[in-house]
Amino acid sequence: SQKIEQNSEALNIQEGKTATLTCNYTNYSPAYLQWYRQDPGRGPVFLLLIRENEKEKRKERLKVTFDTTLKQSLFHITASQPADSATYLCALDMRTGGFKTIFGAGTRLFVKA
Amino acid sequence: SQTIHQWPATLVQPVGSPLSLECTVEGTSNPNLYWYRQAAGRGLQLLFYSVGIGQISSEVPQNLSASRPQDRQFILSSKKLLLSDSGFYLCAWSGGRETKNIQYFGAGTRLSVL
Repeated sequence: SQKIEQNSEALNIQEGKTATLTCNYTNYSPAYLQWYRQDPGRGPVFLLLIRENEKEKRKERLKVTFDTTLKQSLFHITASQPADSATYLCALDMRTGGFKTIFGAGTRLFVKA
Repeated sequence: SQTIHQWPATLVQPVGSPLSLECTVEGTSNPNLYWYRQAAGRGLQLLFYSVGIGQISSEVPQNLSASRPQDRQFILSSKKLLLSDSGFYLCAWSGGRETKNIQYFGAGTRLSVL
């Protein structure tokens, strides 16, 4: 069956450290992979998109890697700050099948000062 | 710039009552529109999406329906709510494959069916 898996346990890190979140998928062939941030009680906000033929994408303190052989994406936040505390969702955009984007359940990140 | 409005923010309804949630988008034309539901600690479940006026695709057969009476208006409805309809409902829009289907979400509606 098709699955997107993100670590359901919250990630707790100290301010200034690098946070690394994992997204694994099975039985999908995504054209793109996206990462979103969601704060409690709010809608998700788009952060980064990486294509299947790209290995890495950066934006300020954010870095995303995409390994289609391992079927895995890693999301890094360097020099993390308490304001980075949120839930981070990965999402797969299918190669075919219309306009559907499949979201993972997200990983909650807590950055302690 | 584009904005998306979704209301109400919170709604408490009795079982068996009707539902109407509205979503409008400004600053873009012919957007793809989506309704999602998010249960606590769970991922986003796609309920409906629309690529144009009157064109609705349903992803999950259920007690809900959607309509798109205007280009930038998307409505989620139910004739009789069930307890299991409680959840956080999110509307989103995207520009389609040219924009790699990046989705922009509204603020959400917290629905409690009692």
